[in-house]
Amino acid sequence: DGGITQSPKYLFRKEGQNVTLSCEQNLNHDAMYWYRQDPGQGLRLIYYSQIVNDFQKGDIAEGYSVSREKKESFPLTVTSAQKNPTAFYLCASRTGGYSNQPQHFGDGTRLSIL
Amino acid sequence: AQSVTQLGSHVSVSEGALVLLRCNYSSSVPPYLFWYVQYPNQGLQLLLKYTSAATLVKGINGFEAEFKKSETSFHLTKPSAHMSDAAEYFCAVSDLGGGFKTIFGAGTRLFVKA
Repeated sequence: DGGITQSPKYLFRKEGQNVTLSCEQNLNHDAMYWYRQDPGQGLRLIYYSQIVNDFQKGDIAEGYSVSREKKESFPLTVTSAQKNPTAFYLCASRTGGYSNQPQHFGDGTRLSIL
Repeated sequence: AQSVTQLGSHVSVSEGALVLLRCNYSSSVPPYLFWYVQYPNQGLQLLLKYTSAATLVKGINGFEAEFKKSETSFHLTKPSAHMSDAAEYFCAVSDLGGGFKTIFGAGTRLFVKA
């Protein structure tokens, strides 16, 4: 079945360490998104990409970086510059960058500080 | 600019009672509206979507929502709550004016009492 796979499900980061969250989709979707979810705050957009080799900052991009070298993959790196990284991270994809279609979500990665 | 307001961060109903989750949106152009459900430690799943066809939209698991332009609302209802409906629900909006970027509400957690 087609879908979005996020890994790992749980991740722990030490002080000063960069960590990378994986997101892979086999839905043949053009657009991919990263959201951060904190209790009571809904979903906040970190980065999004509408096509390969192109991506844009969302509302809370500081301390994060992404790449989009393949259509299927959109990894997110949480850098040491992100001082409060503890959160639930969700990856999503959608057919077409400019589209009225809904987004499809992975099952998330929960990041905590050691 | 688009925005979404979900009234009530928590809603509690008895099993078998009506479920009503409120969502109001702001959009300067015809919007596309979505309701998603999230179970603990999972991603979001699409319940239903409004894309300018019928104003009463039926979704999965017996949920439906009605688009009311005059009230800028898209409330989610279910006639009879089931224990398995306990989850967090998100309303979302996207439109051409916003480049189809999806804006999510803060979420409403539904509790179902036996």
